[in-house]
Amino acid sequence: LAKTTQPPSMEAYEGQEVNVSCSHTNIATSEYIYWYRQVPHQGPQFIIQGYKDYVVNEVASLFISADRKLSTLSLPWVSLRDAAVYYCIVTDGANTGKLTFGDGTVLTVKP
Amino acid sequence: EAAVTQSPRNKVAVTGGKVTLSCNQTNNHNNMYWYRQDTGHGLRLIHYSYGAGSTEKGDIPDGYKASRPSQENFSLILELATPSQTSVYFCASGEGTGENYAEQFFGPGTRLTVL
Repeated sequence: LAKTTQPPSMEAYEGQEVNVSCSHTNIATSEYIYWYRQVPHQGPQFIIQGYKDYVVNEVASLFISADRKLSTLSLPWVSLRDAAVYYCIVTDGANTGKLTFGDGTVLTVKP
Repeated sequence: EAAVTQSPRNKVAVTGGKVTLSCNQTNNHNNMYWYRQDTGHGLRLIHYSYGAGSTEKGDIPDGYKASRPSQENFSLILELATPSQTSVYFCASGEGTGENYAEQFFGPGTRLTVL
């Protein structure tokens, strides 16, 4: 499994766009990139997943570099409710959906 | 309505005692997972299951057993609880296949303290 590297923490003000980066320099061709977030006292929640290029859903967008070694989760117009730990996970379907969590990025949102 | 539920939500146990954590899912997912999360760290996989009757070891299975008696239920068992097993335990369910094979739905967690 590819190891991921994320900044340990970030800060933003309400209404700003936030970009959380994730480096996965050893990602294999069979691996996909998943993002989860976890607010205090709750379980993680799936945000978005992608393999290459650009993916968008109602919550966030995900940009993946051409060589797939870097991905960026973009959160538009963050609010206080977006304060959470964001996890970037690279996983292979052959592992039947198992997730390996790192320590994630702690996003603090200021009013 | 919550699709993954856990019980109990909080548990205090004594060293050497037996602890059973229960998880129920109404997603009709084949796969279920047990993780633990220590303060300030990410989740670590203990055991998982492909379906009723199956259990597989995850990354940190020592000191834990699992049981999957039905599609809906998945239990984590600590036969001889130790203080090092004090943690928050999360259960999750997921398809494990298809386009979003690693999309998992997590329960609210069980806080276990072993004294």
